[in-house]
Amino acid sequence: DAGVIQSPRHEVTEMGQEVTLRCKPISGHNSLFWYRQTMMRGLELLIYFNNNVPIDDSGMPEDRFSAKMPNASFSTLKIQPSEPRDSAVYFCASEPLLGTDQFFGPGTRLTVL
Amino acid sequence: AQTVTQSQPEMSVQEAETVTLSCTYDTSENNYYLFWYKQPPSRQMILVIRQEAYKQQNATENRFSVNFQKAAKSFSLKISDSQLGDTAMYFCAFMGVGAGSYQLTFGKGTKLSVIP
Repeated sequence: DAGVIQSPRHEVTEMGQEVTLRCKPISGHNSLFWYRQTMMRGLELLIYFNNNVPIDDSGMPEDRFSAKMPNASFSTLKIQPSEPRDSAVYFCASEPLLGTDQFFGPGTRLTVL
Repeated sequence: AQTVTQSQPEMSVQEAETVTLSCTYDTSENNYYLFWYKQPPSRQMILVIRQEAYKQQNATENRFSVNFQKAAKSFSLKISDSQLGDTAMYFCAFMGVGAGSYQLTFGKGTKLSVIP
């Protein structure tokens, strides 16, 4: 298996622009997580999907952030409009049914100028 | 709410030596999972080892082993025969068990440098 796939690996954009991050979980995994990593706050859970349904989005910073999972093999995290404080590494992770181990993708480094 | 504390921001070890990274946590739950993740300069988060709280035996994965002290809420990672490829950030993480338990709570990390 190719593992969790994220794209793009790097994204540089200007303040006010829309940013879309993409994730393909490991085939057969039914849980998907979006995390954000910053120096100040460390790793934080943004949103959790189970069987394509958002279960917990309490970590989403504000209405500028939205996430979707239209099917079991694809998820997006969108920021609109982006701000410099959104600069961070965004990770997607997936977990199998009845599993405990979350497998992380390589992350997307987002820089908002 | 659970908290995870890693009190050593940075550590270094000579190649082939042994190093221990510390982690403490706070929880009111009796059953849970603890993890160590490695994040090398490539940025990829890699699961190193998992410990189930109901198991008394310490988990071991090749050169990596843990010292799990449930009463003390301590979960340290020992790396034996350190290799240059072990240079990375190491994160300790907690996950509860049962319905609604899915969130990993991470510590702030320890930056480990293996010196040739």
